[in-house]
Amino acid sequence: SQQGEEDPQALSIQEGENATMNCSYKTSINNLQWYRQNSGRGLVHLILIRSNEREKHSGRLRVTLDTSKKSSSLLITASRAADTASYFCATDAADSWGKLQFGAGTQVVVTP
Amino acid sequence: EPEVTQTPSHQVTQMGQEVILRCVPISNHLYFYWYRQILGQKVEFLVSFYNNEISEKSEIFDDQFSVERPDGSNFTLKIRSTKLEDSAMYFCASRLQDTSYEQYFGPGTRLTVT
Repeated sequence: SQQGEEDPQALSIQEGENATMNCSYKTSINNLQWYRQNSGRGLVHLILIRSNEREKHSGRLRVTLDTSKKSSSLLITASRAADTASYFCATDAADSWGKLQFGAGTQVVVTP
Repeated sequence: EPEVTQTPSHQVTQMGQEVILRCVPISNHLYFYWYRQILGQKVEFLVSFYNNEISEKSEIFDDQFSVERPDGSNFTLKIRSTKLEDSAMYFCASRLQDTSYEQYFGPGTRLTVT
């Protein structure tokens, strides 16, 4: 089955540094979405990139998508302590009603 | 800013009991979803709901599960006879329309089955 898989599993950086995490998936997608989850809390939608897009920006976030390699990356620039969270990619298959398939996530810790 | 709400935030129930988890999606959204996250595991899709019927469901969503939109605002997930393995965080999500794919999640209901 199609899944998003993030890499690395965990990332520890200092404030001001950039954080990059990757996501790989297996089958055709309509779009790919990135979410953030603070410990024990809900999922916050960060950014969506459609299958015909290659790059998208939102504030300090930059997402790329390479459909030929079936991979995406999320870059958080100038990280802050408040960026400490788990980050998940979720793929929306081309033939679904919006069923999102999530990866296991990347746990990011930003130290002041 | 509109948001998805869920009640209760935490539900403890005994094995075999029925539970109903409630969600109020964002008011003008048309697509509704339930997901669950067992502690330490991935978020898993359960069911999608559109135009008052299930549009897609996963293997997890067996006969013990049902969803309903009893009025214009609530969206519920019922588990008829809970099992220990149903213990998880359950998330409701909603989406605006056909061409708008972002899903907005509620804060979740933590279900503990003892």
